[in-house]
Amino acid sequence: KAGVTQTPRYLIKTRGQQVTLSCSPISGHRSVSWYQQTPGQGLQFLFEYFSETQRNKGNFPGRFSGRQFSNSRSEMNVSTLELGDSALYLCASSLRSQNTGELFFGEGSRLTVL
Amino acid sequence: DAKTTQPPSMDCAEGRAANLPCNHSTISGNEYVYWYRQIHSQGPQYIIHGLKNNETNEMASLIITEDRKSSTLILPHATLRDTAVYYCIVRVGMNYGGSQGNLIFGKGTKLSVKP
Repeated sequence: KAGVTQTPRYLIKTRGQQVTLSCSPISGHRSVSWYQQTPGQGLQFLFEYFSETQRNKGNFPGRFSGRQFSNSRSEMNVSTLELGDSALYLCASSLRSQNTGELFFGEGSRLTVL
Repeated sequence: DAKTTQPPSMDCAEGRAANLPCNHSTISGNEYVYWYRQIHSQGPQYIIHGLKNNETNEMASLIITEDRKSSTLILPHATLRDTAVYYCIVRVGMNYGGSQGNLIFGKGTKLSVKP
């Protein structure tokens, strides 16, 4: 079956703009998490959604937001972009009912802020 | 902060076993040990996890010490495609009310498999 799909794969924005990234989880997976990866900070948890509700949130400013739709697809939005927001944004899905804790990651959306 | 300590890098000859250590001296009784890896420019990939017993799957084996303060991931016959950053993560199990999607990644071990 298809894996986690993230779009767009690459994008370039300028400071002050906003961006929306999309994630389609594996069919049947209802939990979606987002991560930011930078060379300096590594992989950092942004937020987790299940049943259209945010369940957990990492330590990021309010400019970072997300949502989940009834079909489990998720979007994240970053407003008022800063240079430091340049990163690889990764989405992961999972079967929340299973206890293995296995997350399935997409290939990410690479954002460059100029 | 990550609750694990891993060496920053390791080398392994192709075809040999790769043994990646991880220290998690403050692990709690309800925390599992997970291993993920990230091949360059790809998303992380789940490898294996365990609580206190040794585990084996088609990818690797996980050896957890009796006191659970450290573990070793073993790739029995490393190939060039196993070159990646390997992350050891401890987290509360879902059956103990842990979060499914919130993993705390440290800096991991960069494993280089050489021909």
